[in-house]
Amino acid sequence: AQSVTQLGSHVSVSEGALVLLRCNYSSSVPPYLFWYVQYPNQGLQLLLKYTSAATLVKGINGFEAEFKKSETSFHLTKPSAHMSDAAEYFCAVTDSGGGADGLTFGKGTHLIIQP
Amino acid sequence: DTAVSQTPKYLVTQMGNDKSIKCEQNLGHDTMYWYKQDSKKFLKIMFSYNNKELIINETVPNRFSPKSPDKAHLNLHINSLELGDSAVYFCASSQDLGFQETQYFGPGTRLLVL
Repeated sequence: AQSVTQLGSHVSVSEGALVLLRCNYSSSVPPYLFWYVQYPNQGLQLLLKYTSAATLVKGINGFEAEFKKSETSFHLTKPSAHMSDAAEYFCAVTDSGGGADGLTFGKGTHLIIQP
Repeated sequence: DTAVSQTPKYLVTQMGNDKSIKCEQNLGHDTMYWYKQDSKKFLKIMFSYNNKELIINETVPNRFSPKSPDKAHLNLHINSLELGDSAVYFCASSQDLGFQETQYFGPGTRLLVL
């Protein structure tokens, strides 16, 4: 069964600094990986997804993530943080073993942006 | 137009009551889902529907029952509500059931059981 681990339940960065949110996956078959963002009191919005086409994936709002099979990682980065990036970020996985299982989510990382 | 909508947005009720949450998607998708987000923000899938057929049913109590009158709607009925049912419930949809499909989420329904 697939799973994802997000290191750090809270990450705090200064405005303008690099954002790095970590996600490691565990899957017995090639995974499909997603990053979703949840703003306060809202639903989830897709930032980007990896579906094996390219290891470096660019998403919305200046975010990108790199799939590294050797490290079983799919970390999310943004070069310069904005105050509007403050939100909860979820890494999620499905695998080719069957999409019927839906998305398996990590526990989320709360991103705090300090002025 | 809202792609995936849920009603109500907030739901406060007493233990033992029966309640329903409605979900509608106007994306023309074939698959819809229900997720539960607990107080620690952990998200877990409850059900998915593809072309009006239940595809999965995780270890969810049978007090929860999804009902889909058509492929644009997937309602969640909850009987005999318990304190532990308090959570945020998200509806989502995707074009198909494929593992690479993007899921689009509704705004959530915040359920509080007293």
